[in-house]
Amino acid sequence: KNQVEQSPQSLIILEGKNCTLQCNYTVSPFSNLRWYKQDTGRGPVSLTIMTFSENTKSNGRYTATLDADTKQSSLHITASQLSDSASYICVVSGTGTASKLTFGTGTRLQVTL
Amino acid sequence: DGGITQSPKYLFRKEGQNVTLSCEQNLNHDAMYWYRQDPGQGLRLIYYSQIVNDFQKGDIAEGYSVSREKKESFPLTVTSAQKNPTAFYLCASSIGTGARAQETQYFGPGTRLLVL
Repeated sequence: KNQVEQSPQSLIILEGKNCTLQCNYTVSPFSNLRWYKQDTGRGPVSLTIMTFSENTKSNGRYTATLDADTKQSSLHITASQLSDSASYICVVSGTGTASKLTFGTGTRLQVTL
Repeated sequence: DGGITQSPKYLFRKEGQNVTLSCEQNLNHDAMYWYRQDPGQGLRLIYYSQIVNDFQKGDIAEGYSVSREKKESFPLTVTSAQKNPTAFYLCASSIGTGARAQETQYFGPGTRLLVL
């Protein structure tokens, strides 16, 4: 069964600090992996997308990495800001018989003063 | 101003009542989707449509119905057969090349449905 697991479930950090969120998946065959940011009570917004051949992708202070061999991804947030407080969702797509999106449950990040 | 709009933001349903959630997009996307989000769970696909007048069941279609009469609109009806409808409902759209799992989906702001 295709699964996407994220850790930690929740995280609290001080403004200005860095943090790293983890995503492990079992989706196979693999097509691509996306990270979305979801503010409370809003729809998710795409941050990055990586295919099998890419191992890093940046979007401002957000940097995603992908290790397709170990089926792991991480999202690193640099110099956090209060506006980074949100849920971050990892979404993995497969191909062929696994051609669908599998959503992780998300990591809830709170940035405090 | 392009994007996806959902209405209402909050919706209350009485027992035995059908309610309809609106989703409109002006992105000229062919594909549209409905998801349900519950606390502690990943998004689950209810229905999707790749083209006007055609739609397919997702993983949790029971108790829901949809229509796709216009490219811009994909309303979702939560019927009385859905016994646990309280959730956050998200509509999304993508370009619609046919490889839906490969396309970036753009989400609306969501509708929160509560049961009275």
